Formats: sequence, structure tokens, C-alpha cells
Amino acid sequence: EAQVTQNPRYLITVTGKKLTVTCSQNMNHEYMSWYRQDPGLGLRQIYYSMNVEVTDKGDVPEGYKVSRKEKRNFPLILESPSPNQTSLYFCASSFSWARENTEAFFGQGTRLTVV
Amino acid sequence: SQQGEEDPQALSIQEGENATMNCSYKTSINNLQWYRQNSGRGLVHLILIRSNEREKHSGRLRVTLDTSKKSSSLLITASRAADTASYFCATDAGEETSGSRLTFGEGTQLTVNP
Repeated sequence: EAQVTQNPRYLITVTGKKLTVTCSQNMNHEYMSWYRQDPGLGLRQIYYSMNVEVTDKGDVPEGYKVSRKEKRNFPLILESPSPNQTSLYFCASSFSWARENTEAFFGQGTRLTVV
Repeated sequence: SQQGEEDPQALSIQEGENATMNCSYKTSINNLQWYRQNSGRGLVHLILIRSNEREKHSGRLRVTLDTSKKSSSLLITASRAADTASYFCATDAGEETSGSRLTFGEGTQLTVNP
């Protein structure tokens, strides 16, 4: 089954404790991205990757890191989480970064709480 | 920055009625997409309309795009209780160097009452 898989689905952590949210897709998609969703603010892009070893900042990259060592994986790293990073996070992938084929497939989300 | 803005923020209708949601955006786009989200879950792609298209249909969905007004509408006909969800428009204004950049609005919460 074609899908984007995120783990974990739920996470409660303490301020400053490094964490990684994994994302994996099995559709051989070139383009992957991370979004956070907050009430009243909609979805905002954190980072995106157009292909292996190519990553770039989205609209709200502060406090986050990503890597794209393999085509299928795009982990989101919070080196020192803070309470303002409490949010619902989504990983998404699409076939291409080009103007066509940009339909995005989303993971099920990771609800992160930083206390 | 948020590009798409949906209107209304919330919509409540009876089963069988049609639901219309609108989306406005600010800059030139390559395409506009509509997504659906069930409470707290991932977004699911519904339909994509390109900037040179004016109308598109998919099952009970009808999407229109007016690039002169920078607006789009999503019509769901003969709604069902299972259509209850949040609906988001997303604009793709990406360029050759930066690739696809989907920008989402805040969504319309649709409730279809049985």
C-alpha cells in the first residue's frame, strides 16, 4: 500500500530533550516536506527536500533540522525542544518538485507536546 | 506566509444539501489543490486544478478557478454525513529553482447533519 509513515504518533517530552520524528514513504517520491498545524494558523511548512541531500527552509524552520540521506526517509529533528513547538506535525511527499505531479501524500501526523 | 484563505470558516448543512467553500489567494500560482482532513488525521488530496483550467469535476466534487479574481471554490453535491471534515485549499506557486511549495489556508470545517 502506498503510504507515508510517521513515528511516533504521539509524543510528550520535556524542554531541551532532543527528539527525532521519523518519516518514510514507499512511493519513490522525490519531494518531501514537513508541516506543523496549529489552531488559527493552518499548516505551515517547516522544511522541504527536492531530492536526496537537497533540503531547504520553509516558512517556519527555526528550532528544527532535517536530513535526506535516502530517498525514502526524511526525519525531523528537534535539537532542544521548547513549549512553543507543541503542535501537530505532518510529513508529506509528492512525486516531483516540478510544476506537474505535485499532489501531496500526507502521513497520519505526530502530536507533540513539550512540557 | 499564508496564501490561501478559506471562507467560510465553518459550515453546517443537512445531508443531501450542497456545500460550497471558497478560497482566495494572493500571488500567481501553478495550480490549486483541495484537501480534506478528518479530525486530527492526515490530509487527503481531493482534486488539483491547474492555472490554465477553469473548472474540474471528480465524482460529487466540482472545483472552479478564477485566476483574474485569485479565487477558487469547491462544491460538494448531495452531501453525506461522512463528508464531515475540514477542507483546505493549497496553492502551488513554486518556481523552477525552489520546486513545488504548497501553501495552505486555515480550512473550512464542514459539518453534515444526518
